Amino acid sequence: RKEVEQDPGPFNVPEGATVAFNCTYSNSASQSFFWYRQDCRKEPKLLMSVYSSGNEDGRFTAQLNRASQYISLLIRDSKLSDSATYLCAVGLYNFNKFYFGSGTKLNVKP
Amino acid sequence: DTEVTQTPKHLVMGMTNKKSLKCEQHMGHRAMYWYKQKAKKPPELMFVYSYEKLSINESVPSRFSPECPNSSLLNLHLHALQPEDSALYLCASSRSEGTGNQPQHFGDGTRLSIL
Repeated sequence: RKEVEQDPGPFNVPEGATVAFNCTYSNSASQSFFWYRQDCRKEPKLLMSVYSSGNEDGRFTAQLNRASQYISLLIRDSKLSDSATYLCAVGLYNFNKFYFGSGTKLNVKP
Repeated sequence: DTEVTQTPKHLVMGMTNKKSLKCEQHMGHRAMYWYKQKAKKPPELMFVYSYEKLSINESVPSRFSPECPNSSLLNLHLHALQPEDSALYLCASSRSEGTGNQPQHFGDGTRLSIL
């Protein structure tokens, strides 16, 4: 079983739409959670950390559900520039165990 | 602009060559990482260097060897690589390791091709 799993998509949405991604993790001892954005042939860029109480940054909202072992990312009012692959990442206390999901591809269309 | 600098951006080498990838971070971070990413796959952690201690992913072959000259530099030495080692090699750093809430910041990556 993979440590971190994501729906690969693609999610094709019109501009202005709201879209949500989930990411499940298998190790209940996981302690840190992040969302990254990766454009084609570029490095991952940190989008936001995910905190236990949930957190929001502009149009982006991240949630953590420890009981069900998943994190989510909600994007409101999608822009064309949001088109990218969104990777979730999960870390354990010992950071030589840090896992990325395979990513969810988002295409925002005019 | 990224504050983690990787050189070279692209590297083509034969299977008998020896080369090094360089990574420098300018943020005063205490932990640095090397990842390998194949196309359409997630980054896979290879090495962590934190507080002068190296942690190795046991699945990484010995033809990859990291070197940490100081706390802001983490090099990756390559020797006798195989075609399947062709990938994007990403360096990252974080403020510290093990605190559970420190994100990693990535360099642009080195795109490596093995002939």
